[in-house]
Amino acid sequence: SAVISQKPSRDICQRGTSLTIQCQVDSQVTMMFWYRQQPGQSLTLIATANQGSEATYESGFVIDKFPISRPNLTFSTLTVSNMSPEDSSIYLCSVEAFFAGGPTDTQYFGPGTRLTVL
Amino acid sequence: GQNIDQPTEMTATEGAIVQINCTYQTSGFNGLFWYQQHAGEAPTFLSYNVLDGLEEKGRFSSFLSRSKGYSYLLLKELQMKDSASYLCAVRDNKGNTPLVFGKGTRLSVIA
Repeated sequence: SAVISQKPSRDICQRGTSLTIQCQVDSQVTMMFWYRQQPGQSLTLIATANQGSEATYESGFVIDKFPISRPNLTFSTLTVSNMSPEDSSIYLCSVEAFFAGGPTDTQYFGPGTRLTVL
Repeated sequence: GQNIDQPTEMTATEGAIVQINCTYQTSGFNGLFWYQQHAGEAPTFLSYNVLDGLEEKGRFSSFLSRSKGYSYLLLKELQMKDSASYLCAVRDNKGNTPLVFGKGTRLSVIA
């Protein structure tokens, strides 16, 4: 499967500041996604990171709050801007990839970034 | 709209068999996925069904009925390490679209 790394793995931030989370994949992938998972909850899709164009945001998420970059087929960043305690969550990068022995177009997840906002 | 339902919590005994159900109503269908997520970790892919029937992979099997909008994940010979959340997810369109996830079923395996 794809090897996906995220940085930082965790952070504690002050209200009003911003944090940029990086996602690196060890092979080129077409589709990259960013999810949020609040404590005890399931995964909520924030946006699809499109290479060479603006990200596609889901309802309830806006570019000013969650700017995303996708400069190439192996890397993306998500910024959580002007943070509040409600933004405390795990942020997960996900890619869609096909690997031998697996089904087509499976989504794989990075290890996540655990964010706490004070 | 999209709706994926699965039980919130289940408890089962070590060595037993447990079945986790998932029902879905989506605008389209192009595959159903099951993921396992241990506390504090990222989800990991378990199984995939796109045609009706049973897919078996070791102790885990997954079943799909497209006409009923229904799937289940069957775990046999339960082990303590199987305690985790199990997420049902559907791809509702062909092409490059993200999965839609259910809220997950938290399974506790007890001795």
